Amino acid sequence: GAGVSQSPSNKVTEKGKDVELRCDPISGHTALYWYRQSLGQGLEFLIYFQGNSAPDKSGLPSDRFSAERTGGSVSTLTIQRTQQEDSAVYLCASSLMQGGEQYFGPGTRLTVT
Amino acid sequence: AQTVTQSQPEMSVQEAETVTLSCTYDTSESDYYLFWYKQPPSRQMILVIRQEAYKQQNATENRFSVNFQKAAKSFSLKISDSQLGDAAMYFCAYRTGTSGSRLTFGEGTQLTVNP
Repeated sequence: GAGVSQSPSNKVTEKGKDVELRCDPISGHTALYWYRQSLGQGLEFLIYFQGNSAPDKSGLPSDRFSAERTGGSVSTLTIQRTQQEDSAVYLCASSLMQGGEQYFGPGTRLTVT
Repeated sequence: AQTVTQSQPEMSVQEAETVTLSCTYDTSESDYYLFWYKQPPSRQMILVIRQEAYKQQNATENRFSVNFQKAAKSFSLKISDSQLGDAAMYFCAYRTGTSGSRLTFGEGTQLTVNP
């Protein structure tokens, strides 16, 4: 079956613009995760969705970052007023259930100029 | 808070040889899981091997095996008969076992396999 997909693969944006990153999890997976991979901070957790429960937003670095998951499937990570330090690879993962093996997508490379 | 440390930013190995990647972690929990992920240039993280903390037996997956030392909080990955396709960034990761979800990653080790 299809794996986790993310779009776009690469995104270049100007400082101050808003961006939306999309994640399509594996069909039937109830848990969805966003991570950020940057040179300075390594791989860090951003946000986690599990079914209809309130998301765990404890990893979001600022209020410019938000995410939603519609219909328990597709998720969108939105970064408002982008800054150069937001440049990173944003990885999405999904798992069949909470605590299950996480399957990762190929990531979106975001470059803020 | 849990932390994961990989002290080897880069490692290299000759094809067909064996290499060991190091990982240490810090936690006060007794129930947790440890993982090694591989990230090739395609960026897609691939699970290599996992270890449940409650299991004393070290996990193995074909050419990949771990040396899990719970008391020392050490979790190294051994790759036997290294192949060119093993070249990648390797990340050690931790997840709590008690309703845990998020992964905490180490800094990564870039593995080069020389022909």
